[in-house]
Amino acid sequence: SAVISQKPSRDICQRGTSLTIQCQVDSQVTMMFWYRQQPGQSLTLIATANQGSEATYESGFVIDKFPISRPNLTFSTLTVSNMSPEDSSIYLCSVETGPDQPQHFGDGTRLSIL
Amino acid sequence: GENVEQHPSTLSVQEGDSAVIKCTYSDSASNYFPWYKQELGKGPQLIIDIRSNVGEKKDQRIAVTLNKTAKHFSLHITETQPEDSAVYFCAAGNYGGSQGNLIFGKGTKLSVKP
Repeated sequence: SAVISQKPSRDICQRGTSLTIQCQVDSQVTMMFWYRQQPGQSLTLIATANQGSEATYESGFVIDKFPISRPNLTFSTLTVSNMSPEDSSIYLCSVETGPDQPQHFGDGTRLSIL
Repeated sequence: GENVEQHPSTLSVQEGDSAVIKCTYSDSASNYFPWYKQELGKGPQLIIDIRSNVGEKKDQRIAVTLNKTAKHFSLHITETQPEDSAVYFCAAGNYGGSQGNLIFGKGTKLSVKP
């Protein structure tokens, strides 16, 4: 399966600031997604990162708060904007390597907001 | 929309015993059911998945069963080992194209005692 690298692996940020998380895959993939996993909780889909067009957001998530880019078939970024302590979570990138293929996850970015 | 319930939330077994984790789903249109294992500090790792056209799938010590009528599916781990200790997540989605709409259960923390 594809090797998925996320940067940074963890960060501690001040409230009101923004952080951009990068997801790099070692091969071209058809789909890229961003999930949030709050402490001790399950995974919730934030959005689908669409190559060359605006991301598709799930209910409860908006572009102003979580802008996403996907300039090509191997790279995507998620920005967490104007952070508050409630944004403290693990943010996970996942990919599908082709139609009808399983999703595979990166190791996530552990974000703490002070 | 889809809702996935997962039980138990915690499970402790002795090494060598079997472990069973159960999930139920609400949307009869769901036809794809993956299971992920998440170790501390890592992202979820796909361990097995099943499509609705089969009732059971095995991979060495791991098996998944699916009852479409009752809308529930289970993960069975035999001959458990300490390295099986992790949080396990079930999910439900639609196979055919993208599985981006995976809905996850809340997770089961499995502890295998040597």
